[in-house]
Amino acid sequence: GQQLNQSPQSMFIQEGEDVSMNCTSSSIFNTWLWYKQEPGEGPVLLIALYKAGELTSNGRLTAQFGITRKDSFLNISASIPSDVGIYFCAGQLAEYGNKLVFGAGTILRVKS
Amino acid sequence: SAVISQKPSRDICQRGTSLTIQCQVDSQVTMMFWYRQQPGQSLTLIATANQGSEATYESGFVIDKFPISRPNLTFSTLTVSNMSPEDSSIYLCSVALSGANVLTFGAGSRLTVL
Repeated sequence: GQQLNQSPQSMFIQEGEDVSMNCTSSSIFNTWLWYKQEPGEGPVLLIALYKAGELTSNGRLTAQFGITRKDSFLNISASIPSDVGIYFCAGQLAEYGNKLVFGAGTILRVKS
Repeated sequence: SAVISQKPSRDICQRGTSLTIQCQVDSQVTMMFWYRQQPGQSLTLIATANQGSEATYESGFVIDKFPISRPNLTFSTLTVSNMSPEDSSIYLCSVALSGANVLTFGAGSRLTVL
């Protein structure tokens, strides 16, 4: 089936560092979403992207919808301890009935 | 955005039993979805809960194992039937508000099957 390749699988960084993660696919997506999941909680939407090339920020978070519509990245600037969690990309394919396909997730740990 | 309440938040179940998970939304929504998140894994769509008709199941999931009800536009249930340890997962309810392409998730129901 449709697959999103999300990398890196995990990151262990120093507080204050910038973080970058991305998702790629061989399929073309209509929408890219980035979610964060903390222990014991469901995923929470961080950023939604709807157009190829779109660059959107939410505080220290910035995400872009790749120009080919096959990839997206999420950057976190000046990381802080509360950034810890699992970050998921999710894409919406028109050929898949507009259902969401999720990446495997990036586990982020921050050393303070 | 919608507020989603799921019950139970967690449970420990015996092999062979069944458990029903409830999902309540604070507003009427057209689309409700049930996802499974196995330990350390990503989210996999189980089915779309349709109001007034049978749920639509994804490949690998069947109604006998995961019966779903959707009696109205604010409520749905997912039953995990005849459970085995492989069913130990977090089960998440999610909704898409009308016209929106994004999903809002409940906190999930963490099931452990012994």
